[in-house]
Amino acid sequence: DIQMTQSPSSLSASIGDRVTITCRASQSISSYLNWYQQKPGKPPRLLIYAASSLQSGVPSRFTGSGSGTDFTLAISGLQPEDFATYYCQQSFILPPTFGGGTKVDIK
Amino acid sequence: QIQLVQSGAEVKKPGASVKVSCKSSGYTFANYGISWVRQAPGQRPEWLAWLSAYTRNTNYAQSLQGRLTVTTDTSTSTAYMELVSLRSDDTAVYYCARGIPVAGKLDYWGQGTLVTVSS
Repeated sequence: DIQMTQSPSSLSASIGDRVTITCRASQSISSYLNWYQQKPGKPPRLLIYAASSLQSGVPSRFTGSGSGTDFTLAISGLQPEDFATYYCQQSFILPPTFGGGTKVDIK
Repeated sequence: QIQLVQSGAEVKKPGASVKVSCKSSGYTFANYGISWVRQAPGQRPEWLAWLSAYTRNTNYAQSLQGRLTVTTDTSTSTAYMELVSLRSDDTAVYYCARGIPVAGKLDYWGQGTLVTVSS
């Protein structure tokens, strides 16, 4: 299975900050990388698919980049509703696998 | 609007079986697949299986092969997941999600069903 590694595992930030989260795949996955946001007690919410495409209804402050093995999710101008856990997920081959998550909380 | 609504929480004893349903609305059910994903407390999501609502083709995670069965009823736009021979480490929230697991995305999710396995 492809291993997905996220860093950092947690971070503290303030409203208005720019935040970046990285995700590394154990082998090349081209651009088959999705990003999800999850809040406690809720299902994951798709933010970015195919590494850089913004899912409908997601604010433009979320951007994704990268290809091959290294990917980044950036949130510019952090809002109160953005405090959550973020997961990357590869959709290159079965089984799809998720990263360990990055928890973003309030500084 | 697109919705996936799952059945309620379950408490089961080790060795028992559980069947979770996922009713879709707001889109043409047969045009999409349904994936099942579970998440144990404090853990990352784990993909379990996928079923094409159109072709009925399935794919399963190797770790659950033989214990997990996914099915659909296109007449009611409902997907089902049945897990047998339950163990304590099957305790998790189980989600259904619309989409394909390879070269695709999981764009709409059910609210989750907590399955607790305890003696």
